[in-house]
Amino acid sequence: DQQVKQNSPSLSVQEGRISILNCDYTNSMFDYFLWYKKYPAEGPTFLISISSIKDKNEDGRFTVFLNKSAKHLSLHIVPSQPGDSAVYFCAASVTGNQFYFGTGTSLTVIP
Amino acid sequence: DSGVTQTPKHLITATGQRVTLRCSPRSGDLSVYWYQQSLDQGLQFLIQYYNGEERAKGNILERFSAQQFPDLHSELNLSSLELGDSALYFCASSVEAGGWYGYTFGSGTRLTVV
Repeated sequence: DQQVKQNSPSLSVQEGRISILNCDYTNSMFDYFLWYKKYPAEGPTFLISISSIKDKNEDGRFTVFLNKSAKHLSLHIVPSQPGDSAVYFCAASVTGNQFYFGTGTSLTVIP
Repeated sequence: DSGVTQTPKHLITATGQRVTLRCSPRSGDLSVYWYQQSLDQGLQFLIQYYNGEERAKGNILERFSAQQFPDLHSELNLSSLELGDSALYFCASSVEAGGWYGYTFGSGTRLTVV
């Protein structure tokens, strides 16, 4: 049972434009969410987080939005750069417990 | 280098065999997590240890077992291997039990069962 879903396996964006990666979850108890970035032959690296008491968190070019009523979160990357090309995973947890990960979205930023 | 060390990086073995994957967490981290990533699948949570004790169990098969030792390194044992066990196995660590600040992942062990 996939509690965290990333329905777009891949996304291509022109350099300088906005990348929007989406994630849906089914468990209404989830209250903490993370985005990870993964390059080939490396483990995922933590990118940005958001707790359910917020609806937005920003870190430089990366912003995560949370819509609790829709059980949906998204990661915006502005402006997109070729180095952002990677697989992005969203993850969700009930605070203090293990994270459930989505299947990932492969982002390609075209120079 | 994330600070989480996984060995070996690659492993090829035959069906029915048993293997052990090893993970050394980042210095200071007490929690260790094991995840499995099969083709086109997300990271499936297997098991978590915190300071030597099992804390949470996910979709871990009975043929799989794990432990965390006093020096905090962890081993994942996979036995009676089947072709479907071929996957990338990641270990991650965190300071606290809840992963509040995210996990630090190792680069994974790629297991191929032939």
